[in-house]
Amino acid sequence: RKEVEQDPGPFNVPEGATVAFNCTYSNSASQSFFWYRQDCRKEPKLLMSVYSSGNEDGRFTAQLNRASQYISLLIRDSKLSDSATYLCVVELGGNMLTFGGGTRLMVKP
Amino acid sequence: GAVVSQHPSRVICKSGTSVKIECRSLDFQATTMFWYRQFPKKSLMLMATSNEGSKATYEQGVEKDKFLINHASLTLSTLTVTSAHPEDSSFYICSATDRTDTQYFGPGTRLTVL
Repeated sequence: RKEVEQDPGPFNVPEGATVAFNCTYSNSASQSFFWYRQDCRKEPKLLMSVYSSGNEDGRFTAQLNRASQYISLLIRDSKLSDSATYLCVVELGGNMLTFGGGTRLMVKP
Repeated sequence: GAVVSQHPSRVICKSGTSVKIECRSLDFQATTMFWYRQFPKKSLMLMATSNEGSKATYEQGVEKDKFLINHASLTLSTLTVTSAHPEDSSFYICSATDRTDTQYFGPGTRLTVL
């Protein structure tokens, strides 16, 4: 079983749609959780951290369920520029990150 | 924000040669740097953790004699792919953490071994 699992997609959605990505992790001792965005052939960039209480940043909402070892990312009012691969990332400790396989999003006009 | 650079951004080499990739933190000191590898359409895989002044810690399955890591200063870590072969062709990305433990990624180096 992979340490961090994501549906690879692609998710093809029209502009303005709401789309949700899910991620599960296997190590219950994981300490921190993040969503990264990666554009084609570029380095990943931090989109947002994920907190147990849930957090929102503009059109993006992230949630963490420690009991189920599950993380989600919701994107509202999708834009063309949201097209990218979204990486679920888990930190066990010591800044060592484990990346999920990524979920590809394609927003169409 | 903090910036991490990598050099070169792209390299093409012949099989059997060695390639050195540099990772620099430009405006902060990084006691720890990380090296990742990414295959096409795959996620990043942590290769090793590089600590300034000490030996790197390699992940399981990563050959330390194949991928030599040196972290000579608080702003520079190097990854040398020794005797490169076509299967070493990949996208190599480094990252560095600042004193707040925020991790910043370099732009990556695309290695193609012919």
